[in-house]
Amino acid sequence: KAGVTQTPRYLIKTRGQQVTLSCSPISGHRSVSWYQQTPGQGLQFLFEYFSETQRNKGNFPGRFSGRQFSNSRSEMNVSTLELGDSALYLCASSLGFRDKQETQYFGPGTRLLVL
Amino acid sequence: AQSVTQLGSHVSVSEGALVLLRCNYSSSVPPYLFWYVQYPNQGLQLLLKYTTGATLVKGINGFEAEFKKSETSFHLTKPSAHMSDAAEYFCAVTRNSGNTPLVFGKGTRLSVIA
Repeated sequence: KAGVTQTPRYLIKTRGQQVTLSCSPISGHRSVSWYQQTPGQGLQFLFEYFSETQRNKGNFPGRFSGRQFSNSRSEMNVSTLELGDSALYLCASSLGFRDKQETQYFGPGTRLLVL
Repeated sequence: AQSVTQLGSHVSVSEGALVLLRCNYSSSVPPYLFWYVQYPNQGLQLLLKYTTGATLVKGINGFEAEFKKSETSFHLTKPSAHMSDAAEYFCAVTRNSGNTPLVFGKGTRLSVIA
């Protein structure tokens, strides 16, 4: 079974631009979570989607948004990029949403550099 | 609110020596605890998890962790370090109550010296 895939793997943008990152979960998984990883802040939760609905949201500004499609694929968007948005963005999928015992399976991440 | 503290941002051990990575958590309800490993330029891979039942949990690659409620700890150990264990390790906590995401510690970078 294929793992979680994320595209693109690397991205360079300039301040003020916007960016869209994509995540395809493991087949059969319906929950997708997004995390931002930086050297200073570590891994921080962005949001979680299940059945095309945002179920949970972390403490990030409204410039960060996401969505999930009917095939469980998810995208996240960052508008008006700032230098501090440079990070590794990780996507994770799991079977469901309510049972927190379930393992989250992570993709390789998208490394975003904002110049 | 839940939180995780990983003591030591960098741990260095000799090949063949004991690996001990420390994790303490804060949770008002019974926690679910996870250890993940991240190799360079890769995502996170689950090593092991504790949800309920036996407090000593065995994972992949010879790692194990023990849930100690009285100490609010979930330390990760491996009897004998291998060069391939060099990576960053993350402890995470959640709970089966409400819309609770995984909360990660800051991570511990493990170096293995030949």
